Amino acid sequence: DQQVKQNSPSLSVQEGRISILNCDYTNSMFDYFLWYKKYPAEGPTFLISISSIKDKNEDGRFTVFLNKSAKHLSLHIVPSQPGDSAVYFCAARRNQFYFGTGTSLTVIP
Amino acid sequence: DSGVTQTPKHLITATGQRVTLRCSPRSGDLSVYWYQQSLDQGLQFLIQYYNGEERAKGNILERFSAQQFPDLHSELNLSSLELGDSALYFCASSALRTDTGELFFGEGSRLTVL
Repeated sequence: DQQVKQNSPSLSVQEGRISILNCDYTNSMFDYFLWYKKYPAEGPTFLISISSIKDKNEDGRFTVFLNKSAKHLSLHIVPSQPGDSAVYFCAARRNQFYFGTGTSLTVIP
Repeated sequence: DSGVTQTPKHLITATGQRVTLRCSPRSGDLSVYWYQQSLDQGLQFLIQYYNGEERAKGNILERFSAQQFPDLHSELNLSSLELGDSALYFCASSALRTDTGELFFGEGSRLTVL
């Protein structure tokens, strides 16, 4: 039972443009939503999170939006840089953490 | 460097064998989580320990077991290995309370079953 879904396995964006990564979830009881970034041969690293009581959280070039009515989460990266090329996992927390299958972002110079 | 240490980084073994993966959490973190990432799959939650006690169980096979020791390091034991057990196994740790709710991951142990 996949409670967190990332329906786009990959995304390519031109350097300087906006990258939008999407995530859908099914459980309305999740209290925290997180984005992790993973480079090859490394473990996932925390990027940004948002509490279920908020609808937006911003950290530099990264902004996470939460739409609870649609059970939808998105990560915006503006402007995108080649170093942002990685696999991005969204995750949701309720007692344990549930991860999506990841979206591979390629930022083209 | 996340502060979470996993050993070994790579492991190649044969079907039917048993292996042990080890994880040292970040200093002060009481919770340890184990995740499996197979090819083209997301991170599948296996099991969580908190201060030595099992806290939550996910899609962990009966052939797999884990424990957390008094010094808070954890081991994941995989037995009667099958080809399909080939995957990246991640350990993560977390503090009891965080402002961001995050996990800190190790670099993973890549298991190849031949």
